[in-house]
Amino acid sequence: EIVLTQSPGTLSLSPGERATLSCRASQSITNNYLAWYQQKPGQAPRLLIFAASIRATGIPDRFSGSGSGTDFTLTISRLEPEDFAVYYCQQYVNSPPLTFGGGTKVEIK
Amino acid sequence: EVQLAQSGAEVKKPGGSLKISCKGSGYNFANYWIGWVRQMPGIGLEWMGSIYPGDSDTRYSPSFQGQVTISADKSISTAYLQWSSLKASDTAMYYCVRHPSGRFSNWFDPWGQGTLVTVSS
Repeated sequence: EIVLTQSPGTLSLSPGERATLSCRASQSITNNYLAWYQQKPGQAPRLLIFAASIRATGIPDRFSGSGSGTDFTLTISRLEPEDFAVYYCQQYVNSPPLTFGGGTKVEIK
Repeated sequence: EVQLAQSGAEVKKPGGSLKISCKGSGYNFANYWIGWVRQMPGIGLEWMGSIYPGDSDTRYSPSFQGQVTISADKSISTAYLQWSSLKASDTAMYYCVRHPSGRFSNWFDPWGQGTLVTVSS
């Protein structure tokens, strides 16, 4: 099983600032089979990024994904008020199981 | 538009049985894997298992194998998640998800709205 570790657990930032979220895998993720999701309170998660760096349809370009191997990053270039949420990474290299990271909460400072 | 519509919230007693549903629309339901994801209160996301409605091929997370049953009826574009004996620890929000490229090894998009299951005596 591939274990994904997200850091930090909580990120306290102000609107307009840059957010950098990390997702580290216990073994190499081949083909960059990594996705990122955003979840707001009371809502289902929403796909942001797949294949480590491809934005899903309708996702603003202030969201970007990068990385390879075992280290991946989600960057939000300038935080908008609606971006304060919890973010999860997910690997889909091999399975079962498909696994998620524990999440990073981006909160308003 | 591809959509997943889940059944409503449930309140059950420990030891009871339950079957929740997820109806797909806007695409050929038989040709895409459908999965279930658990989110316990205040906790993260756990993939439970997925099914390919076209041939009922089903794969489970080891953590959920034997604890739940996933099934699908492609004639009515609906997938199911079933428990035969609920426990208080099954209290959670359950989301259905589609594997969007038709392969098993995939990200999830879209997500259903979630079904809240509460198990309490």
